[in-house]
Amino acid sequence: AQSVTQPDIHITVSEGASLELRCNYSYGATPYLFWYVQSPGQGLQLLLKYFSGDTLVQGIKGFEAEFKRSQSSFNLRKPSVHWSDAAEYFCAVGAASGTYKYIFGTGTRLKVLA
Amino acid sequence: EAGVVQSPRYKIIEKKQPVAFWCNPISGHNTLYWYLQNLGQGPELLIRYENEEAVDDSQLPKDRFSAERLKGVDSTLKIQPAELGDSAVYLCASSLEGSVDEQFFGPGTRLTVL
Repeated sequence: AQSVTQPDIHITVSEGASLELRCNYSYGATPYLFWYVQSPGQGLQLLLKYFSGDTLVQGIKGFEAEFKRSQSSFNLRKPSVHWSDAAEYFCAVGAASGTYKYIFGTGTRLKVLA
Repeated sequence: EAGVVQSPRYKIIEKKQPVAFWCNPISGHNTLYWYLQNLGQGPELLIRYENEEAVDDSQLPKDRFSAERLKGVDSTLKIQPAELGDSAVYLCASSLEGSVDEQFFGPGTRLTVL
């Protein structure tokens, strides 16, 4: 069965510092992986996705993520955090066929200190 | 291009009352999803439509929840009667037909049951 684990419920970083949000998944085949961001009162917005190919993927707003099959991980990174990045971040794994179902992690809430 | 539209944005009702949520997906998106997002959790799929057909409703509590997408465009999710535990955010998303690719989310309806 598919599952996603985001081990960090809350993360606080200073503005300008680097950021890494962890995501581990469980899936029987090559997964389709996503990172979404949710600002207060807003819907989820896609930051980036991995389907195949280059394991380092670039997304919007300066984010990137690296797929590591051996570690079943898809960690999100940003070299320099801006105050506007404060939000909740969700990792999701999608089924490649059939249900096309997403399984979301429980999210990591990011706080940015000025 | 307009995004996924949901209404109302907020709803407060007393327990045992009925409530309905409406969603209009992105034009051309034949797949529509309803998700439930409890506080501090990631979204969980309730039902997925391909055009008018509900192709995955396995997570929909059918004793009190119902959904329809009569013309294959907009959709309504109903709860009758509402219970205290139904307080949550109800998210609608849409995507291209039969695709595990990006799902586009609406802002959600925050339901409070008193």
